[in-house]
Amino acid sequence: KQEVTQIPAALSVPEGENLVLNCSFTDSAIYNLQWFRQDPGKGLTSLLLIQSSQREQTSGRLNASLDKSSGRSTLYIAASQPGDSATYLCAVKAAGNKLTFGGGTRVLVKP
Amino acid sequence: GAGVSQSPSNKVTEKGKDVELRCDPISGHTALYWYRQSLGQGLEFLIYFQGNSAPDKSGLPSDRFSAERTGGSVSTLTIQRTQQEDSAVYLCASSLQGRGDTQYFGPGTRLTVL
Repeated sequence: KQEVTQIPAALSVPEGENLVLNCSFTDSAIYNLQWFRQDPGKGLTSLLLIQSSQREQTSGRLNASLDKSSGRSTLYIAASQPGDSATYLCAVKAAGNKLTFGGGTRVLVKP
Repeated sequence: GAGVSQSPSNKVTEKGKDVELRCDPISGHTALYWYRQSLGQGLEFLIYFQGNSAPDKSGLPSDRFSAERTGGSVSTLTIQRTQQEDSAVYLCASSLQGRGDTQYFGPGTRLTVL
């Protein structure tokens, strides 16, 4: 059974610092990995999707890496801003098309 | 264009009543998913539709839960004889076809069972 873990569960940084969020998964037989952002009381916003054949994806200040063999992904957010405060979730897609989610990392960027 | 929409946004019901939750996927998306987010359990998969058929119902927690999709578009998740442990946010997502595609999520329906 696929299990996804995110560490740390919460993170607080001053504005301008880079953020590093970690995600690990137990079964490397995945199709892709997706990073989401969730604001309080809202749905999920897709940030980046990395296919299993890819090593990384970039969008603006966001960069996500994938090491499928070791079951790890890292989301980097450069030069954090208070607007980056949210919960970040990673999810892997394996057989059956369903996403298996980690517990999330709650990020607070202090001005 | 329009994203995934869900209704109602909030639903309060009494224990034992039936509820229906609706999801309108992005136009043209053939794959549709239901998830549940609760405090103790995080985000859990419930059911997946490809067109009108549901090849994966493995996440439905009991036979009180059912879902259907008609016309390859709108989906309804029905919970019969609601229990307090059914209280959660129910999220719907859609994707263009399935396996390799980004899933786009709706805002969710917050269900409270009193």
